[in-house]
Amino acid sequence: DTAVSQTPKYLVTQMGNDKSIKCEQNLGHDTMYWYKQDSKKFLKIMFSYNNKELIINETVPNRFSPKSPDKAHLNLHINSLELGDSAVYFCASSPRQGSYGYTFGSGTRLTVV
Amino acid sequence: AQRVTQPEKLLSVFKGAPVELKCNYSYSGSPELFWYVQYSRQRLQLLLRHISRESIKGFTADLNKGETSFHLKKPFAQEEDSAMYYCALKGSGNTGKLIFGQGTTLQVKP
Repeated sequence: DTAVSQTPKYLVTQMGNDKSIKCEQNLGHDTMYWYKQDSKKFLKIMFSYNNKELIINETVPNRFSPKSPDKAHLNLHINSLELGDSAVYFCASSPRQGSYGYTFGSGTRLTVV
Repeated sequence: AQRVTQPEKLLSVFKGAPVELKCNYSYSGSPELFWYVQYSRQRLQLLLRHISRESIKGFTADLNKGETSFHLKKPFAQEEDSAMYYCALKGSGNTGKLIFGQGTTLQVKP
């Protein structure tokens, strides 16, 4: 039973399109995150939600909009995709805010052409 | 600025050799540091955290505040240790944010 699942695993799309990545966790965790891994393998936080409330919003273009319908789900919607958005996007969860033992999803490799 | 630096992109050693994966950090205050590992075809997972002072799979890491380092060490490398290793620093505040280094690939040759 997958603890943190992301869909899709791979996404190839054209510049200018709008796309969504979904994340679900079945661990009962309160806090969920989106991280971006760039081509140099840097992992950088984008957003975090605690029990559906946005608590971290890093300097991310407003084309990126997270949505958390409930504490088990955190989706990422990206408008007007650009070439520079190509990356691997990781979802993660932790038991509560301020807990650093993350459980990661397997990642979504987004390629913008 | 809060930052984590892993100076080596790739570290290649022979089985049975000692391993040291370097991690330096920049943080004002009392840091909390972690090592995460990603084995081939597996998810990124927590390996150890400095406050636990634990040894996991033979790996240990000591926080050295004078040198602002948190190097990961193992006395005798095994082939199954081959993986990508990330050092991470707890961000300020209590938001749960982790600041990751760029990762080091450890390759253990037979």
